Amino acid sequence: NAGVMQNPRHLVRRRGQEARLRCSPMKGHSHVYWYRQLPEEGLKFMVYLQKENIIDESGMPKERFSAEFPKEGPSILRIQQVVRGDSAAYFCASSPPSESYEQYFGPGTRLTVT
Amino acid sequence: QQQVKQSPQSLIVQKGGIPIINCAYENTAFDYFPWYQQFPGKGPALLIAIRPDVSEKKEGRFTISFNKSAKQFSLHIMDSQPGDSATYFCAASPWAGNMLTFGGGTRLMVKP
Repeated sequence: NAGVMQNPRHLVRRRGQEARLRCSPMKGHSHVYWYRQLPEEGLKFMVYLQKENIIDESGMPKERFSAEFPKEGPSILRIQQVVRGDSAAYFCASSPPSESYEQYFGPGTRLTVT
Repeated sequence: QQQVKQSPQSLIVQKGGIPIINCAYENTAFDYFPWYQQFPGKGPALLIAIRPDVSEKKEGRFTISFNKSAKQFSLHIMDSQPGDSATYFCAASPWAGNMLTFGGGTRLMVKP
C-alpha cells in the first residue's frame, strides 16, 4: 500500500484521557500536514511538519495539542485531556520532499470523546 | 482574507447532467486551486487542480474554470454518474508546501 496510512481509524476516549493519532506518509514523502474536519464542515489546517521540524503550527490550538514527526517512525498528533469538542475526523496529508503543491490524504482517524 | 467560500452546499442532478460547483476567494496570493472528492468515511482524494496561468483545465469528465479577475473558480462534471455522488471540496494555497485553505464542501447527489 503506497498511500498515506493513518491509525487507528476509529478512537474512542473518555473526557480527560489522551489521544494519540499516527500518520505514515506516502513512500518518499517527507512533508506531513494535519487537518481537522468537524461534522458537516470543511477541513481546517492544524500543523505542517517535516522530519524533526515543525514548519507551521498556526492552526493548532494553543493548549493540549502537540505534533511531532521524528526522524524514524510516523508522525504523531497528540491531544491531552480530551474534551467533547475534540470529537472530529483528523486527516493527515503528505507531499514530496521537493516543493510541491499536491497533498495526498490518508483515510483519517475518527475521534469520539464520550 | 484566508477564506474560500463554496456554493452550493448541496446539489442534486439527474444522471447525465452537468453539476457546477463554485468557489470564491479573497486572498490574491493564492496560487494553486485543487478540488478534492470525498466519499463517506474516506479521506479526500485529489481530483484535479489548476494554477492561475490558465483559465481552464480538463481531465476526463472533470473541468475547472478559473476567472482570475473575479477571483472565482468552478468545477464542472460532465455526464455525471451515480458513482460521482460524494462531497466535493475546493481549496487554495499561496505557494508550494503551504497549507490548503478549504471551502465548506458541496454534497452532490446524482440520481439514476
